[in-house]
Parts: sequence; structure tokens; C-alpha cells
Amino acid sequence: QSVLTQPPSVSGAPGQTVTISCTGSSSNIGTGYDVHWYQQLPGTAPKLLIYTNNNRPSGVPDRFSGSKSGTSASLAITGLQAEDEADYYCQSYDSSLSGSVFGTGTKVTVL
Amino acid sequence: QLQLQESGPGLVKPSETLSLTCAVSGRSISSTSYYWGWIRQPPGKGLEWIGSIYYTGSTYYNASLKSRVTISVDTSKNQFSLKLNSVTAADTAIYYCAKRGTAADDGFDMWGQGTMVTVSS
Repeated sequence: QSVLTQPPSVSGAPGQTVTISCTGSSSNIGTGYDVHWYQQLPGTAPKLLIYTNNNRPSGVPDRFSGSKSGTSASLAITGLQAEDEADYYCQSYDSSLSGSVFGTGTKVTVL
Repeated sequence: QLQLQESGPGLVKPSETLSLTCAVSGRSISSTSYYWGWIRQPPGKGLEWIGSIYYTGSTYYNASLKSRVTISVDTSKNQFSLKLNSVTAADTAIYYCAKRGTAADDGFDMWGQGTMVTVSS
């Protein structure tokens, strides 16, 4: 079972904004460890979408943004597009487990 | 351009050992800037970190798998490997190799395409 909890699904119409939460604890996000976000399109490997809480790798549209506060982090997708329909995962480090941890994953559906 | 490519048997019998290799191209695996890792994804489920290794051979593993996992590196072949013993159907998954920076909380910025491994008799 994952120590980072995400909503199983979120949905929105094209052009809308959706937000995905990633809830951790004092042994991971709450300690100050960085949070990263991945996008996994159907049938493909995960792709780093946001690194170190709020940074976008080259080529990632600025419609994607990340934030972190306390024991949680969030990914926002503004101006939702059909191509954003995918699974999204957060990831951090947990000091109690001494290893990387992934969130439970969120499926984004574009209505 | 850095690329990662997993390889290994797609079918493993229960109680046997799963063995996979990740070939690294476009960059030396001996770079002091990276850790190399394995992550898996059961069909229809989420991602699970298995373990990571530095080019020196320093490793750390997911506590839930530690008793069954060995990750090793072969710098002469520019590749690293995963062995998971005593497999069961619960180990059926897509296995990915990936690269991250040297900080424990770094993200995985490069992934292989993944290889499906089925555990079945």
C-alpha cells in the first residue's frame, strides 16, 4: 500500500482546470522531501511531468504546474485538453521506509 | 541521447527467479551524477519502486521486497540488472528501469519502455 494518497479519478471539460492532490505524512512530504509528478499515457512508460515540486522539464506545457504545502502536494492542469487524458502519479522519498514512494495514482478524464 | 532498454524473459514459473537487465546507452553508467533504479507496475495498478543502485554497487531496496531482491551493476557492459527470487503471481507486472539524480528524493527523469513479466506455470 502506498504512503502517498491521491484521488482515484478527476474529470473536467476541455478548457477547465483540474487539480490532483497528493497527501503524505511527516515522514515524507512533511519532512521537506521533494515531490515529483509523472504522466502515464495509455500503454506507455511514465514521463516526468513536474520535478522538485514545481519545475517543468523542457517540453512540458506551462498548463501543468505543481505546488507543495505541509504534508501535501498538488498538480494543476489548466486549459484541460483531450491529450491530457492519462494517469498521473506523485512521487517522493520516505524516511521511515528509506526509499522512494509513489502515489496511488489518479486517472484524469476529459469529458 | 541517453536511452534505457529492459530485456529478459517474459514468462517465469512460480517459485523461480525473475532476471532482467537494463542496457544504458548514450551515457556512462559510471557517471557520478546518477542512480539507476527498477520500478514495476502490476496490470491495471499503480507504480511500485523496487530498488536503486549507484555505479559503485551501493544499493537500497523497497523494504517489502528486500528479502527477495538483488540489483547489481556491470560497468563494463554499461548495464544493471534485477533479480527477484521466489516469484508468485503477485510479481506479474511491467518492469521499468529508470534513472534519477543522486539525492534520495530526486525524481526519475528517464525511463525505459518497460517489459512485461508474467509469473505462471
